[in-house]
Amino acid sequence: NAGVMQNPRHLVRRRGQEARLRCSPMKGHSHVYWYRQLPEEGLKFMVYLQKENIIDESGMPKERFSAEFPKEGPSILRIQQVVRGDSAAYFCASSPTDNEKLFFGSGTQLSVL
Amino acid sequence: AQKITQTQPGMFVQEKEAVTLDCTYDTSDQSYGLFWYKQPSSGEMIFLIYQGSYDEQNATEGRYSLNFQKARKSANLVISASQLGDSAMYFCAPLGSGGGNKLTFGTGTQLKVEL
Repeated sequence: NAGVMQNPRHLVRRRGQEARLRCSPMKGHSHVYWYRQLPEEGLKFMVYLQKENIIDESGMPKERFSAEFPKEGPSILRIQQVVRGDSAAYFCASSPTDNEKLFFGSGTQLSVL
Repeated sequence: AQKITQTQPGMFVQEKEAVTLDCTYDTSDQSYGLFWYKQPSSGEMIFLIYQGSYDEQNATEGRYSLNFQKARKSANLVISASQLGDSAMYFCAPLGSGGGNKLTFGTGTQLKVEL
């Protein structure tokens, strides 16, 4: 049973470009969470999705950031017009229900030049 | 809302010794859970142990155990017989009863195990 798969592992973008981060949850998991980790800090919740629905996006910046979890395919975190402050590690996690431990992916390290 | 405090930014321990990593939290939820995760230098987040607020016994998982003191709102992680591979960042995170796994992570404790 493969774990949570995130790709790419590292992503480099220039200011103003778009970043797309992908996350395939563990098999059988329909709950997906995105977290962001800035250098020297803990993980901060961004968004919680179930298939085709955003359940809680209270941690998402209001502009430039969006997330989806389509019926088929991975969850996507999209950052438009990236700025240097978006440089961080972005972690995806999944769980089978909404009240069980999270299984994390290895993260995507986004670097904005 | 939950607030997490991990007061030890860095800890050192000798191999084979035990070490306690502190975690205090502030929550108004009556029912909640506490998770500990480990983040080695490679970056992934690894689940270690979970304690439910209504669990009568302190949780244990192999060399990991929780010193859970509900009245003091603390859930300290105890690692026994430390190994070099235990060197990592350790994060405490409470889970409220509101549904969804919206964990709130502390700032973490960097543990270094020395020979």
